[in-house]
Amino acid sequence: QLQMEESGPGLVKPSETLSLTCTVSGGSISSSSYFWGWIRQPPGKGLEWVGTISYSGSTFYSPSLKSRLTISMDTSKRQFSLKLSSVTAADTAVYYCARSPAATTDTFDIWGPGTMVTVSS
Amino acid sequence: QSVLTQPPSVSAAPGQKVTISCSGSRSNIGNNYISWYQQVPGTAPKLLIYDNVKRPSGIPDRFSGSKSGTSATLGITGLQTGDEADYYCETWDINLNAVLFGGGTKLTVL
Repeated sequence: QLQMEESGPGLVKPSETLSLTCTVSGGSISSSSYFWGWIRQPPGKGLEWVGTISYSGSTFYSPSLKSRLTISMDTSKRQFSLKLSSVTAADTAVYYCARSPAATTDTFDIWGPGTMVTVSS
Repeated sequence: QSVLTQPPSVSAAPGQKVTISCSGSRSNIGNNYISWYQQVPGTAPKLLIYDNVKRPSGIPDRFSGSKSGTSATLGITGLQTGDEADYYCETWDINLNAVLFGGGTKLTVL
């Protein structure tokens, strides 16, 4: 059974870079059958897509975050990562990593439990 | 304000049926498959419906999806108190080149 788990600092200072890692267990992230995504949810608000990386390393970013966002993957560690630069309080959210079957491209069928990131000095 | 429009809340009694709508445009719902997710507060979202009408393994047939033109609907029959959650629609937008989520609908089972 594939499982995913997010990890990273829970507190980031304004203007700094938010870095998170998603570790996948029970499966490979280099399979051509899947893409891997990040979704966030500000406190009390709805879901917002952050970006997705394919099994080959191609990336797809939210237009509103594209200038600050980098998503990468390390297949040997079964990990993919998110870096969001120049953060502000508006980036405070629960960040989820999720799997996306390549056949559906944008459906997320398995999610990590999420990790809360607060941007504050 | 979300590009995909959902009602903020719906409610119904146990055992009854409820529908949740998701309205978009030709660039998103009109040209792509839609998915639906259930999120119990404090937990991660769970996939309920994909490709408009398909249910992942383990999702009961009380949950159903449909799509017509630029709108989609999630139906839940035989409501249970455990169905109380937030529900989100989701699809791809070919103009924005982005995944879109609806604003979410809070279901209350009275």
